[in-house]
Amino acid sequence: AQTVTQSQPEMSVQEAETVTLSCTYDTSESDYYLFWYKQPPSRQMILVIRQEAYKQQNATENRFSVNFQKAAKSFSLKISDSQLGDAAMYFCAYRSAGTGTASKLTFGTGTRLQVTL
Amino acid sequence: DTAVSQTPKYLVTQMGNDKSIKCEQNLGHDTMYWYKQDSKKFLKIMFSYNNKELIINETVPNRFSPKSPDKAHLNLHINSLELGDSAVYFCASTGTENTEAFFGQGTRLTVV
Repeated sequence: AQTVTQSQPEMSVQEAETVTLSCTYDTSESDYYLFWYKQPPSRQMILVIRQEAYKQQNATENRFSVNFQKAAKSFSLKISDSQLGDAAMYFCAYRSAGTGTASKLTFGTGTRLQVTL
Repeated sequence: DTAVSQTPKYLVTQMGNDKSIKCEQNLGHDTMYWYKQDSKKFLKIMFSYNNKELIINETVPNRFSPKSPDKAHLNLHINSLELGDSAVYFCASTGTENTEAFFGQGTRLTVV
């Protein structure tokens, strides 16, 4: 079974600074997908960024980028120019390639990000 | 337009009661899920349906029964509610065209 580990329960960053959230995972599969989801106080789960394991290039979405190290099974999220609206719980998630039972998400325990002035 | 919609958003009920949470998606997705988020914010899959067929049934008490009348709807019925059932329940869906899950806004269930 796959597992996802987020070793930082809480992180803090000053507005306009950069922060990196860590995620490691364990799998024996070679093809899979990794995600970062954001959960603000509103409770809504919002997709931040997605990475396909077969792609060597790291995904980027505006101020959000990942450092995907497949051999090390590491998938960190970098937030640049942090804004107050970035304050939230961030969840790293894994899903296998394929459909059906493979499509479920396995989540890490989350990292609470605080953004200070 | 809300892509994945759950009702109700909040549910407070007494121990022993039976309650249902409804979910609808208008994305044309084939697969729908129920996830549970506990008090420590941990999210875990409970059930999944693909085109009205149950495909994932994790270790969940049989007091929980999902039902999918069609591929756009997935409901969760809970019998004999217990204090430990208090949590946030999320509905989600995925389609064949995408890999990420789209989530509803969650239902916070409080059993007193």
